[in-house]
This record gives sequence, structure tokens and C-alpha cells, in this order.
Amino acid sequence: DTGVSQDPRHKITKRGQNVTFRCDPISEHNRLYWYRQTLGQGPEFLTYFQNEAQLEKSRLLSDRFSAERPKGSFSTLEIQRTEQGDSAMYLCASRADTGRTNTGELFFGEGSRLTVL
Amino acid sequence: GQNIDQPTEMTATEGAIVQINCTYQTSGFNGLFWYQQHAGEAPTFLSYNVLDGLEEKGRFSSFLSRSKGYSYLLLKELQMKDSASYLCAVGNQAGTALIFGKGTTLSVSS
Repeated sequence: DTGVSQDPRHKITKRGQNVTFRCDPISEHNRLYWYRQTLGQGPEFLTYFQNEAQLEKSRLLSDRFSAERPKGSFSTLEIQRTEQGDSAMYLCASRADTGRTNTGELFFGEGSRLTVL
Repeated sequence: GQNIDQPTEMTATEGAIVQINCTYQTSGFNGLFWYQQHAGEAPTFLSYNVLDGLEEKGRFSSFLSRSKGYSYLLLKELQMKDSASYLCAVGNQAGTALIFGKGTTLSVSS
């Protein structure tokens, strides 16, 4: 396993369409994160899974966004009825569960860049 | 809530030393992290501080003062390849996720 992989790397869509991104974390990592990053900004936390359970969602995550991790391995992030403001890089990250409460080192994927026309 | 402040841009020359500061206000503290992000690439981990003091790792060092809500990343013997965005991040109150600052874009010139 060479790292976190995301697909597609680039997606251009028209406003109002639905898009779905996939993330395959490092295989032994049970924690998976989705972040969104726009130009000149740091990554913004969207949501977090521990195994298949979605344990935390940011208030940034509107009801048009849904994320799943059905078998505790890969995850999908779906955006329904896309808006131009959704244009961003969507980053997935994973980490191992160290058994401690600190967040530990995150390993990021290369991201999926969304452009909404 | 959490607030993280760091300078937007910095410039330096090859071989020099640069210090990137980060101040934070958090309702809970679960460690402070520095990540490096080259343009168009994913962030990569540089350092982690949970206790006060200096952590050194090769050309990079990171300092933390929890009482002051302050950290810095020190880069020595700068190289052109160090031109990147440097992201300061703190663990959220629950210790489940990292909250990132906006990043400091460092430009290294010859």
C-alpha cells in the first residue's frame, strides 16, 4: 500500500449536478477524514470516520453533502445539486488509531479537484 | 471554538534561517502540528508538539508554548525546494480532528 488514493483527481461539472468522490485510505488505518481546501486557505475539516462509523461532522457540511464508509475501508463523499461555491479541492486523510486521544499524524491523499461551472 | 493565526506570506534567501509563527486560541488542546504543502500537492507532516519546548528534526524545528498559545516552525539552511505553504494545525477539543490555519506561503530565492 503506497498511501491514500483518491479518485477522480479532477472533476468538472455543471451547477445542479451530483458528484461523488472516492477515497482509499492506507489499509491499516481505521480513521478517515474528509477536508475541503480552497485557494490560499488551509484545509477545512468536513467529517471523520472511525471504521464505518461517522463520528463527527462539521457545520460546514450542508445537507447536500453526504459521506459514507460502508465497510470501514474506502469512503465516498457525495455532493448533490452542486453549486459554484462547492468548487474546491477535496482532500481525504487517514491515520492509525493509536489508542490515545491526540490526533496523530494524518496522511493525505492528492485530493480531488472539483470545478462547478 | 478555535482560531489559528499565521502570516500569509514570507520570503527568504537560500541558506538563510526563517521562523514562521503561529498563535492559536482553542477551547481544548490536543497537540500542535506543522504540515508542508507544495503547490498542487497534498499536505505532508513535518512536526508535532504536545509539551512545551523545542522539537528538532534535521533542518526543521518546532517550538510550543501552551501558556502563550504560541508555536513557531524554524527552517534552517533554506533550500529552493522549501518554497511551499506551511500549515499550522491544532487538535480539536475532542482530539478527533486537526483544525488548520490558512497557511504561510514561503518563497525562497537564490
